[in-house]
Amino acid sequence: GDSVTQMEGPVTLSEEAFLTINCTYTATGYPSLFWYVQYPGEGLQLLLKATKADDKGSNKGFEATYRKETTSFHLEKGSVQVSDSAVYFCALSRASNTGKLIFGQGTTLQVKP
Amino acid sequence: DADVTQTPRNRITKTGKRIMLECSQTKGHDRMYWYRQDPGLGLRLIYYSFDVKDINKGEISDGYSVSRQAQAKFSLSLESAIPNQTALYFCATSPTGPTYEQYFGPGTRLTVT
Repeated sequence: GDSVTQMEGPVTLSEEAFLTINCTYTATGYPSLFWYVQYPGEGLQLLLKATKADDKGSNKGFEATYRKETTSFHLEKGSVQVSDSAVYFCALSRASNTGKLIFGQGTTLQVKP
Repeated sequence: DADVTQTPRNRITKTGKRIMLECSQTKGHDRMYWYRQDPGLGLRLIYYSFDVKDINKGEISDGYSVSRQAQAKFSLSLESAIPNQTALYFCATSPTGPTYEQYFGPGTRLTVT
């Protein structure tokens, strides 16, 4: 069945460092891919999405590119801030699977001043 | 105002009690979902509904029931709460295609003692 695998955390970075959180998926067909962010004490917010191969989703300085050849959707940011400290979830959905979201386990990011 | 609201935000209850968690949305979406989040396990789908008359079990529905009172309202009930149902519960909504991205409420923290 469909699945999403994220790198284990926590990831600890200094402010202004470069961020990469790896995400790979297993799915038949052509899923849509998402990154969600959960700030402390809050619900999940959609951060960015990509719907087809080679699409790049971007928002708030974060980017992720849909790589079908490597079944990956890695999240990147060039310069992280303390306010980016949160849990990040990679997820996929397939129309042929009724559109249900399949989530990765989540990766905790801690950014230190 | 928030598009997806959940009540209560926090609840402490005793083993064996019946409890209802409520979710309302103003996004006009047909699809609604209930998840629970446990540390290290990510989000797991409890129930989902594609419209008022279409309700489906998710991966961990045992011990839970739901009611879709209207397009905008989707309630989750624990008929007889047990301590291992202590978790963070999220409601979400999504449009019916094409990418099925989901929008989450702020969550209900439930503790069963």
